[in-house]
Amino acid sequence: GEDVEQSLFLSVREGDSSVINCTYTDSSSTYLYWYKQEPGAGLQLLTYIFSNMDMKQDQRLTVLLNKKDKHLSLRIADTQTGDSAIYFCAESRDYGGATNKLIFGTGTLLAVQP
Amino acid sequence: KAGVTQTPRYLIKTRGQQVTLSCSPISGHRSVSWYQQTPGQGLQFLFEYFSETQRNKGNFPGRFSGRQFSNSRSEMNVSTLELGDSALYLCASSLVSSGKRNEQFFGPGTRLTVL
Repeated sequence: GEDVEQSLFLSVREGDSSVINCTYTDSSSTYLYWYKQEPGAGLQLLTYIFSNMDMKQDQRLTVLLNKKDKHLSLRIADTQTGDSAIYFCAESRDYGGATNKLIFGTGTLLAVQP
Repeated sequence: KAGVTQTPRYLIKTRGQQVTLSCSPISGHRSVSWYQQTPGQGLQFLFEYFSETQRNKGNFPGRFSGRQFSNSRSEMNVSTLELGDSALYLCASSLVSSGKRNEQFFGPGTRLTVL
């Protein structure tokens, strides 16, 4: 199937680290992305990882990929109240050439308590 | 560089009507994709256009259609609206359409309410 699963809700205290998890199903996925959506807004691309990588770090963000278990995680260090949003993982599959189709996860609502 | 713009931002229609939503991609971007976001189904891919051609289509009924113009602007149309079509419709633009990594930039969306 095409399901990409995420836990629904995560609550952390300001200054702590947040870890958002995602499980995908298609081992042929080429790129995996993390998007952020704030209330009333569109999607903001945070970071991505290529399927042959294990880890990618980008400032406060660390992406870990376990291809064997089809598990992706996003760690946000020193979480701030401005990080409160819904986070989506998404995968891009190879449909034999030209496509930008993304399969999105269910989204995780991150609530940061001051 | 201006971002992706979508018009209108909010729309209220009644069942049976039709609606047209518009998306202007980032200047120079040739690929436009559309997504529907609802609380129940989440984010679902509708279709993608590149150089005025539909490259991929999601699992939606034929009431959902789209097109792309020579300036890369895209429209999507929903005919015979149903209550379940109420959603946030998001447009994303990217430079090219290929199997390689290709950043997609999303617009703010059009919130459609069907009464």
